[in-house]
Amino acid sequence: GENVEQHPSTLSVQEGDSAVIKCTYSDSASNYFPWYKQELGKGPQLIIDIRSNVGEKKDQRIAVTLNKTAKHFSLHITETQPEDSAVYFCAAPMKSSGDKLTFGTGTRLAVRP
Amino acid sequence: EAQVTQNPRYLITVTGKKLTVTCSQNMNHEYMSWYRQDPGLGLRQIYYSMNVEVTDKGDVPEGYKVSRKEKRNFPLILESPSPNQTSLYFCASSLTREGSGQYFGPGTRLTVT
Repeated sequence: GENVEQHPSTLSVQEGDSAVIKCTYSDSASNYFPWYKQELGKGPQLIIDIRSNVGEKKDQRIAVTLNKTAKHFSLHITETQPEDSAVYFCAAPMKSSGDKLTFGTGTRLAVRP
Repeated sequence: EAQVTQNPRYLITVTGKKLTVTCSQNMNHEYMSWYRQDPGLGLRQIYYSMNVEVTDKGDVPEGYKVSRKEKRNFPLILESPSPNQTSLYFCASSLTREGSGQYFGPGTRLTVT
């Protein structure tokens, strides 16, 4: 069926280093790709999104890249800080399910001080 | 402040005792949905609503009911809760289903004994 695969499931980096999380999707008609950050005890929060007509989008230390041919998109966090520690989810709408947003299984990022 | 609120935040109940988790948004969003979050399974959609009086099943609707009598409210009803419904529940809303980021509530942790 239509799904979104996310890797890695856990990621540990040293403060100041970069972190990259990758997602692949199966529905070639998907055209909107959001990323969510979930801190402990809170609901997911939208941090950045990208639409299919662009290849990259940046917002300060975070960026998202999209490769529609390969059907994958990635979240890049530069100069990581301890407050970046959280669970990150990617998502993509599945056209075959009426654009229902399907989520990846999450990446737990730990930034070591 | 734009937000999605859920109540209660924590609930411990017994098998078979009907319960309702309320959800309300103040952003005039048309699209609302309920998710459950379980370890290793990510976010799975239970039910969604495209607008008032329009609801439909998500991926895991069994054992749940919803209603959308007003645009701002989208309660989740468990008529006869069972232990396998012990989970973390999130309500979310967005302007539309397609191509817009979802705003999540803070979550309701439900334990059914």
